[in-house]
Amino acid sequence: GENVEQHPSTLSVQEGDSAVIKCTYSDSASNYFPWYKQELGKRPQLIIDIRSNVGEKKDQRIAVTLNKTAKHFSLHITETQPEDSAVYFCAASGGSQGNLIFGKGTKLSVKP
Amino acid sequence: DAGVIQSPRHEVTEMGQEVTLRCKPISGHNSLFWYRQTMMRGLELLIYFNNNVPIDDSGMPEDRFSAKMPNASFSTLKIQPSEPRDSAVYFCASSPPLRAGYTFGSGTRLTVV
Repeated sequence: GENVEQHPSTLSVQEGDSAVIKCTYSDSASNYFPWYKQELGKRPQLIIDIRSNVGEKKDQRIAVTLNKTAKHFSLHITETQPEDSAVYFCAASGGSQGNLIFGKGTKLSVKP
Repeated sequence: DAGVIQSPRHEVTEMGQEVTLRCKPISGHNSLFWYRQTMMRGLELLIYFNNNVPIDDSGMPEDRFSAKMPNASFSTLKIQPSEPRDSAVYFCASSPPLRAGYTFGSGTRLTVV
């Protein structure tokens, strides 16, 4: 089945800097890659997603890139703000299993 | 839309007791997922349903865990008997056809003492 690895597990940046979180997946049939943000004590919420027919997608300060050949995808947050502090999860879906498999998460801390 | 609704929000029970968690997916969503979240293991998929039919339950940890979806608007996850190691936050999520993205419920924080 699908296996998703996520790095780093923790990331601390200064306000205004960029943050990059990377994930790799194992099932070459996966074709949908969402990212979720989870604030303390709350539910994971979808922030951006990308499908396998697209290499990059942007939404304001957030962007996701996908390299299907290498089977890895990344989340980029520019001009980070303290409210970006949360745990971010990547996920992969659409392979033989047809369900979302999540990475272990990255705890992002943005220091004012 | 009220989103995915889970109940209860918190559950504290004694070891050996039966626990039932409930979920109401978003109307029109045809896939429903149960996840368990712990610090050590992250978000683990337990089981998912498509059109009320269980598709993959390989993530269900033991026979003590069971899940049902009697209709398109309701699902339950039952643990019988419960054990302290079952303590976790259990999330239900639903997605529409073609899987445009999951929507998670608020979760049930289960504590087994």
